[in-house]
This record gives sequence, structure tokens and C-alpha cells, in this order.
Amino acid sequence: EAAVTQSPRNKVAVTGGKVTLSCNQTNNHNNMYWYRQDTGHGLRLIHYSYGAGSTEKGDIPDGYKASRPSQENFSLILELATPSQTSVYFCASGETSNSDYTFGSGTRLLVI
Amino acid sequence: QQKVQQSPESLSVPEGGMASLNCTSSDRNFQYFWWYRQHSGEGPKALMSIFSDGDKKEGRFTAHLNKASLHVSLHIRDSQPSDSALYFCAAKNTNTGKLTFGDGTVLTVKP
Repeated sequence: EAAVTQSPRNKVAVTGGKVTLSCNQTNNHNNMYWYRQDTGHGLRLIHYSYGAGSTEKGDIPDGYKASRPSQENFSLILELATPSQTSVYFCASGETSNSDYTFGSGTRLLVI
Repeated sequence: QQKVQQSPESLSVPEGGMASLNCTSSDRNFQYFWWYRQHSGEGPKALMSIFSDGDKKEGRFTAHLNKASLHVSLHIRDSQPSDSALYFCAAKNTNTGKLTFGDGTVLTVKP
């Protein structure tokens, strides 16, 4: 079954440390997305990609980098984690056409 | 300014009742709309899409779109406790293809 898998499921990081969140999709979708979810803010787009080798800035990219080494994999990188980046992060895959997104189960990140 | 606004923030209905959720967009580039549902501890899942004016019915769920006013609604009849979840309205920008989400409505269905 086509799916989006995120790892890790939970992560505790120290302020100033580097954090990498991973996402793998078996949907063969060209587009992949990283969102964060905070109470009162819904889902906000951080970075997205149109295919291997491409990354684009979303609505709130500051403090985050992204990497798309292959069709299947899309990573979100926090080079210097801050407590304000404590959140739940969701990866999704989809197409530019009028099809819906498939979301992963999320990564809960706590930066202390 | 939030481009996709949802109301109410939270809603409680009795089992078997009707739940009505609303969503308004402020950007005319948003022409395609989805409703997503998220249960606690899970990722959002697409519930239904609506692209044309009027109603679209899927089982107990009916979506209504008015493109002139950029208003979309979701009506759930015969609500069940398993419908209790966070519901997101999402709109796709026809120029960029990006999906923008509202802040969500928390629906509680009480047995």
C-alpha cells in the first residue's frame, strides 16, 4: 500500500543542536511537502519539492533547510535547533494536479 | 492575514445530529478545496474534495462550494462519535499548486 513514512516518531533535541527529520514515500508522487502543526496555527508549509534535487521555500522557511536526494526521500534539517521549533512536523506527498495529499503520521519534536 | 479561515473553532453535537463546518478564502487564486480530517495522534487524511459550485455528497458527508463568495462548507449528518476529530479546510492555489490550510475546527460528537 502506498504510504508516507516519517522517522523518528518522537525526538528530543538540545538547543543549538542539529536535527534531521526524514520522510519516505512509496506513492511515486513528484511533489513532497513539510508542514508544522501548532495549536492555533493549523498546518503551515515550511519547504516543498517538485522532484529529486529540487527544494522550494514555503511560507515559514526560516531556520529550516530541506533536501530531496531522490523521488522517495525528503528530509527537513534544523541546523541550530531552537525551543520555538518545538512542534509536530508532517510530511506529505502529492501532485500539482487536483489530487489530494497523503500525509505521514508526524514527528513530535521537543527542543530543550 | 490568514488566507483560509474556518469557523467555528470548536463544535459539539449529539450523536445522530448534524454538524456544519464553514470555510472562507480571501484569495481568488484558490479555486480548489478539500476537507481533511485528523484524529488524535495521526496525520490528516483527505475526506473529500470539491471543485465546482454546488453540492457534493459522499455518504453522510456533503460539501458545498460557492465560488463567487469563496465559501465552502461541510455538513455531516447522523454524526457518530468516531467523527470526533480536527477538521481542516484546505485550498489549492491554481498558480503555485500549493495547498494552504485553515486553522481547523475541533468536532466533538457526544454519545
